[in-house]
Amino acid sequence: KQEVTQIPAALSVPEGENLVLNCSFTDSAIYNLQWFRQDPGKGLTSLLLIQSSQREQTSGRLNASLDKSSGRSTLYIAASQPGDSATYLCAAQGGSEKLVFGKGTKLTVNP
Amino acid sequence: GAGVSQSPSNKVTEKGKDVELRCDPISGHTALYWYRQSLGQGLEFLIYFQGNSAPDKSGLPSDRFSAERTGGSVSTLTIQRTQQEDSAVYLCASSWDFNQETQYFGPGTRLLVL
Repeated sequence: KQEVTQIPAALSVPEGENLVLNCSFTDSAIYNLQWFRQDPGKGLTSLLLIQSSQREQTSGRLNASLDKSSGRSTLYIAASQPGDSATYLCAAQGGSEKLVFGKGTKLTVNP
Repeated sequence: GAGVSQSPSNKVTEKGKDVELRCDPISGHTALYWYRQSLGQGLEFLIYFQGNSAPDKSGLPSDRFSAERTGGSVSTLTIQRTQQEDSAVYLCASSWDFNQETQYFGPGTRLLVL
């Protein structure tokens, strides 16, 4: 059974800092690894999707990496801004098609 | 075009009543997913549809939960005889196809069972 863990559960940083969010998964037989953002009271917004054959994906200030052999993914946020404050969720998609989510990292970027 | 929409956005009901939650996926998306987000529990997969069929119902918490999809579009999640532990945010997502496709999420329905 796939289990996804995110560390840390919460992170508070000053504006402008570069930061890394961590995600680990127990079953390396995944189709892809996805990162989402969730704002309070809102649904999820897809940020990046890394296929199992890929090592990383980039979108603007965001860079996500995937290491299937070690069961790890990281989300790197460059030059953080207060608008980046949200909960970041990673999810692994395996053979059953469903996404298995971590519990998220709540990020606060202080002006 | 429009994103995934869900209705109602909020629902308060009494224990024992039945509720229906609706999801309108993005037009053309063949795959549709239901998830539940409970306080402190993270996101939990419930069921997914490929077209109108549901190959995997293993995530439904009990036989009080059922879902259907008609015309390859709108889906309804029904909870019968609601219990307080059913209180959660129910999220719907859709994608062009299952397997290796980005899932687009709706805003969710916040269900409170008193």
